[in-house]
Amino acid sequence: SYELTQPPSVSVSPGQTARITCSGDALPKYYAYWYQQKSGQAPVLVIYEDTKRPSGIPERFSGSSSGTMATLTISGAQVEDEADYYCYSTDSSGDYRLFGGGTKLTVL
Amino acid sequence: QMQLLQSGPEVKKPGTSVKVSCKASGFSFPGTTVQWVRQARGQRLEWIGWIVVGRGIPSYAQNFQERVSITRDMSTSTAYMELNNVRSDDTALYYCAAESGLYCTSSSCPLAFDIWGQGTEVTVSS
Repeated sequence: SYELTQPPSVSVSPGQTARITCSGDALPKYYAYWYQQKSGQAPVLVIYEDTKRPSGIPERFSGSSSGTMATLTISGAQVEDEADYYCYSTDSSGDYRLFGGGTKLTVL
Repeated sequence: QMQLLQSGPEVKKPGTSVKVSCKASGFSFPGTTVQWVRQARGQRLEWIGWIVVGRGIPSYAQNFQERVSITRDMSTSTAYMELNNVRSDDTALYYCAAESGLYCTSSSCPLAFDIWGQGTEVTVSS
């Protein structure tokens, strides 16, 4: 079955750039979305359609996609950005949505 | 204020059914799509399915197709997710999410789910 693959964890120091990747064979065809989930809270949309940032999301969050990999970049990561990040896209049949396995971002 | 308000926690015995509700307010319910997602404790988010509210057309993940039904009631702006024949591994926090419409263009909406409910805890135990 189709999967979106993310690294389990990424760690950076405050002020550094964090990059979280998501790979999937159908990503050249379908958009990637990114959700942030802090402990005990519902997910929050931080990027949609590969590169677009919803209102209220800080400019340090950006997205890109090339070939079979989408990337969420947090430029100048802050302690409050510590969370689990999930990519989300469409499977290869085009019929279903799915989430990646999630990446735990540590900023310390 | 755009929000989704979900029903309260449920405790069910294996083999029974559970129905969770999700009431929308502050945005266009007929114009949205509502999806359902679950998360077992400490685990990843798992997509269950969605319903295009205006047309009433649901779509389900393959893992749930045989057991789930997603519906909506336009008169109360409420979406529902019913899971049948529940088992212990269905124990999870169930979320509904909707698209506010803020990011739609004149021709399409990006299916960017920017409004989430607070989650409903479902526990399956004998």
